[in-house]
Amino acid sequence: DAGVTQSPTHLIKTRGQHVTLRCSPISGHKSVSWYQQVLGQGPQFIFQYYEKEERGRGNFPDRFSARQFPNYSSELNVNALLLGDSALYLCASSLPERNYGYTFGSGTRLTVV
Amino acid sequence: AQKITQTQPGMFVQEKEAVTLDCTYDTSDPSYGLFWYKQPSSGEMIFLIYQGSYDQQNATEGRYSLNFQKARKSANLVISASQLGDSAMYFCAMREGQGDYKLSFGAGTTVTVRA
Repeated sequence: DAGVTQSPTHLIKTRGQHVTLRCSPISGHKSVSWYQQVLGQGPQFIFQYYEKEERGRGNFPDRFSARQFPNYSSELNVNALLLGDSALYLCASSLPERNYGYTFGSGTRLTVV
Repeated sequence: AQKITQTQPGMFVQEKEAVTLDCTYDTSDPSYGLFWYKQPSSGEMIFLIYQGSYDQQNATEGRYSLNFQKARKSANLVISASQLGDSAMYFCAMREGQGDYKLSFGAGTTVTVRA
């Protein structure tokens, strides 16, 4: 079975631009979470979606938004990019009925210049 | 307040020796889960081991064991017989409540295994 896949793996954007990051969960996983990991720090929770509904949101500005599609894949959108948005963005999928079934993708490394 | 504290920014260990990575946590929820992840330079977060708050025994997974001291709110990771491939960043994380809710991560510890 394929793991969690994220695209693109790397991208460079200019301040003020918009970016869309994509995530495909493990087959059968209905929950997708997004995390931001700034260099040298631990990941910070951004969003969790389950069955296309937002279940949780971290302390991030409204420039960050996400959605989940009927096939359980997900997109993370960031508007009006700032230099501080440069980070590794990680997606994790899970089964709600399992307490520890989180599987992470390899991430998208975003650089804002 | 920090939910997860990892006080060791970096550690060196000799190949084949054991190493202990410290993790303390803070929660008032009686139900929680503690996780350790390994993050090599490629960026992927690799699950290592899980300990539930109601588990009576310390978790073990191959060369990884978790020293769970509930009263002290600590969940230290022990890696036995270190290998060169163990060189990576290690993160302690906590989930509060049941289910698959968000994880709170510590700042991580970099482990470098020397030959």
